[in-house]
Amino acid sequence: ETGVTQTPRHLVMGMTNKKSLKCEQHLGHNAMYWYKQSAKKPLELMFVYNFKEQTENNSVPSRFSPECPNSSHLFLHLHTLQPEDSALYLCASSYKLGPTGAYGYTFGSGTRLTVV
Amino acid sequence: RKEVEQDPGPFNVPEGATVAFNCTYSNSASQSFFWYRQDCRKEPKLLMSVYSSGNEDGRFTAQLNRASQYISLLIRDSKLSDSATYLCVVNGDTGFQKLVFGTGTRLLVSP
Repeated sequence: ETGVTQTPRHLVMGMTNKKSLKCEQHLGHNAMYWYKQSAKKPLELMFVYNFKEQTENNSVPSRFSPECPNSSHLFLHLHTLQPEDSALYLCASSYKLGPTGAYGYTFGSGTRLTVV
Repeated sequence: RKEVEQDPGPFNVPEGATVAFNCTYSNSASQSFFWYRQDCRKEPKLLMSVYSSGNEDGRFTAQLNRASQYISLLIRDSKLSDSATYLCVVNGDTGFQKLVFGTGTRLLVSP
């Protein structure tokens, strides 16, 4: 366990379904992220939450809807997805590495999503 | 141009070999640099930060050339367990917290 827990680990859903991904961390980190990782592509930042306020939405389609009720929990609500949305969805939280101002990320194990 | 570019590999090396990975980044304002390691079907994990003066952690040495916007990772005495994908990471243009990832370089160490 990395300290960031994601559920479910695997999800298969139809294009008309609604589902939610959950992420939880009790590391005391104040920022949480959703990333998408598709085959042969770099991790793509989707959303950033800082102290439970959304600070970045990286032009993500509205069929992905994030929710951050508090700084320990993050959700990604999914509806009417497309097959090209099949990917590994990774949640991360961040912490300061030291006085330089740099941040390190702790990732969850991810949810492998397949849209059929 | 991609924000972070890496040779995807794979690099196939025998145990004990020395192998080097390179990475270039496009944002000259980047201040934080890292190497992450990602095992097959697992999440990325921080391997090491990269400092301007270069830094070493056991068999791993990282170098940064700000003028050329170039980062490197050297692995000496490769082990089978080093087989993984190595991700070059820099902070994005909105501050230190946003990280931008390269596609990764795959390393396969064989007996």
